Amino acid sequence: AQTVTQSQPEMSVQEAETVTLSCTYDTSESNYYLFWYKQPPSRQMILVIRQEAYKQQNATENRFSVNFQKAAKSFSLKISDSQLGDTAMYFCVIRDFGNEKLTFGTGTRLTIIP
Amino acid sequence: DAGVIQSPRHEVTEMGQEVTLRCKPISGHDYLFWYRQTMMRGLELLIYFNNNVPIDDSGMPEDRFSAKMPNASFSTLKIQPSEPRDSAVYFCATERGPGTEAFFGQGTRLTVV
Repeated sequence: AQTVTQSQPEMSVQEAETVTLSCTYDTSESNYYLFWYKQPPSRQMILVIRQEAYKQQNATENRFSVNFQKAAKSFSLKISDSQLGDTAMYFCVIRDFGNEKLTFGTGTRLTIIP
Repeated sequence: DAGVIQSPRHEVTEMGQEVTLRCKPISGHDYLFWYRQTMMRGLELLIYFNNNVPIDDSGMPEDRFSAKMPNASFSTLKIQPSEPRDSAVYFCATERGPGTEAFFGQGTRLTVV
């Protein structure tokens, strides 16, 4: 069974600063996908970034980047130049290759302070 | 495309009543998922379909829950009879194919009183 652990229930940071959200996971599979989804107050779940486990290069999407450490089973999200619109709940998610089920962490509530 | 459309957005019902949640997937997406979000348990997969066929329903809590996908354009999640502990946000999500991005609807907030 897969598990995802997010040890930071809440974080806050000043606008324009950089923040890193932590995530560790466990899976018995060697091939899998990792995702960060954000859920703003509107409740809509939105994909932020994805990483294939077989790729060594860390994924980047504009201000969002990940630090993927496969041996340590760690997958942190870095948000640079944070903006007020980044205020949301952030979920770390895993999906094994060949299994379409997403397993979610408990989430980190991020607040960007003006 | 309008995205994944769920209805209703909010539902308040009395214990014992039947509740039906609806989902219209994105056209061309072969996979459809029903998730439930609660404060206590977070986000859990209830069931998912591939090409309208249920593939994994191991997350369905009990026989009071049932889901159908009669065609590629529509799915329902039914709770009968409803109980207060069913109160949650229910999300529908769809994917084009294996390993692709899951797109979520805006969810239905169900309150059973």
